[in-house]
Amino acid sequence: QQQVKQSPQSLIVQKGGISIINCAYENTAFDYFPWYQQFPGKGPALLIAIRPDVSEKKEGRFTISFNKSAKQFSLHIMDSQPGDSATYFCAARENTGKLIFGQGTTLQVKP
Amino acid sequence: GAGVSQSPSNKVTEKGKDVELRCDPISGHTALYWYRQRLGQGLEFLIYFQGNSAPDKSGLPSDRFSAERTGESVSTLTIQRTQQEDSAVYLCASGNRVNQPQHFGDGTRLSIL
Repeated sequence: QQQVKQSPQSLIVQKGGISIINCAYENTAFDYFPWYQQFPGKGPALLIAIRPDVSEKKEGRFTISFNKSAKQFSLHIMDSQPGDSATYFCAARENTGKLIFGQGTTLQVKP
Repeated sequence: GAGVSQSPSNKVTEKGKDVELRCDPISGHTALYWYRQRLGQGLEFLIYFQGNSAPDKSGLPSDRFSAERTGESVSTLTIQRTQQEDSAVYLCASGNRVNQPQHFGDGTRLSIL
């Protein structure tokens, strides 16, 4: 039972382009939606996060768009750079603090 | 560095052996989580500790898996009678409180031969 569905599985973007990764969730009790970035051999690192009472959050080149009624949220990476090449995970948090992760998106930004 | 520390970074063992994985959380963090990441997959929740409360073990896949935490410090995840399907990266995360962001270690890559 997959509570958080993430797409696409992989993504190739040219340098300077916009990378968009989408997630959908089922449990309306989730209270926090983080995005993590993971490089090979490293643990996930928190990138940006949003609470469900906010529709958009921007930090530098990274933006989360949140649609509560559709139970969907997305990560936009503006002006994508080769250094952004990594695996990105969306997640949703239960009130216990437990994170439910999406399956991940491998992003490759071509120079 | 004051991040989450996990050891060993890599572990190769034979099927049927027991393994013990260690996590040192960020000092002062009361919440500690264990996750499993299979190759090319997302992270699966295994267990979490919050202060002196009873741990949430709902994600442990079988009774071969167990975990302990000493107070608000180090935690160990033990897998008994390892199977090949246990091969994965085991990640530990800690947080200041349940509703604060989780910070991950770099994991232990476990390979069962």
